[in-house]
Amino acid sequence: DTGVSQNPRHKITKRGQNVTFRCDPISEHNRLYWYRQTLGQGPEFLTYFQNEAQLEKSRLLSDRFSAERPKGSFSTLEIQRTEQGDSAMYLCASSPQGGGAYGEQFFGPGTRLTVL
Amino acid sequence: QQQVKQSPQSLIVQKGGISIINCAYENTAFDYFPWYQQFPGKGPALLIAIRPDVSEKKEGRFTISFNKSAKQFSLHIMDSQPGDSATYFCAASYLYNFNKFYFGSGTKLNVKP
Repeated sequence: DTGVSQNPRHKITKRGQNVTFRCDPISEHNRLYWYRQTLGQGPEFLTYFQNEAQLEKSRLLSDRFSAERPKGSFSTLEIQRTEQGDSAMYLCASSPQGGGAYGEQFFGPGTRLTVL
Repeated sequence: QQQVKQSPQSLIVQKGGISIINCAYENTAFDYFPWYQQFPGKGPALLIAIRPDVSEKKEGRFTISFNKSAKQFSLHIMDSQPGDSATYFCAASYLYNFNKFYFGSGTKLNVKP
């Protein structure tokens, strides 16, 4: 499967714990995006990487959130001191330089986080 | 402030009927409007997209109608099938910089057999 992959698919944690998610984009896609999707809502932009550079961060990304893409390939999203309000689906997407022919972003299946 | 407003929240259509989902936006700088389809447990997948220099785009049973002056666009699914049952999201972005999409809140479509 050459699509975007995300691990783990599900994560249950207790409030106050730290969690880390991984995203492997489509190879040769130099743009990588993280979104958060809560129940009944559309995805909300969190952050964006071009290669290893993090170029934009949403105000939704509080100080407890950090994202990295150290070698311009896979990315990690870490949430420190999780809160119940962090419970959501975390989606990763990738796209080639210029957004491709139709500006398409290719989404992974997401990581569903439940904070107890 | 929600950049893209989508309606209805849910939609039930009989097999063979037409499904219509509407979206409206405020920012006139948006110039790329995709529709994404999401099945349970899956990430969204691009269905069809339009740029504001055309008023309509059709791909198979799926058509986007775009009204630039009204700042509205809609998705029409002709001959709706049970396999079309999914959540549909409209979105808006900027052609010059695909750094992020602004998504609508989604429409859950249920096509009855």
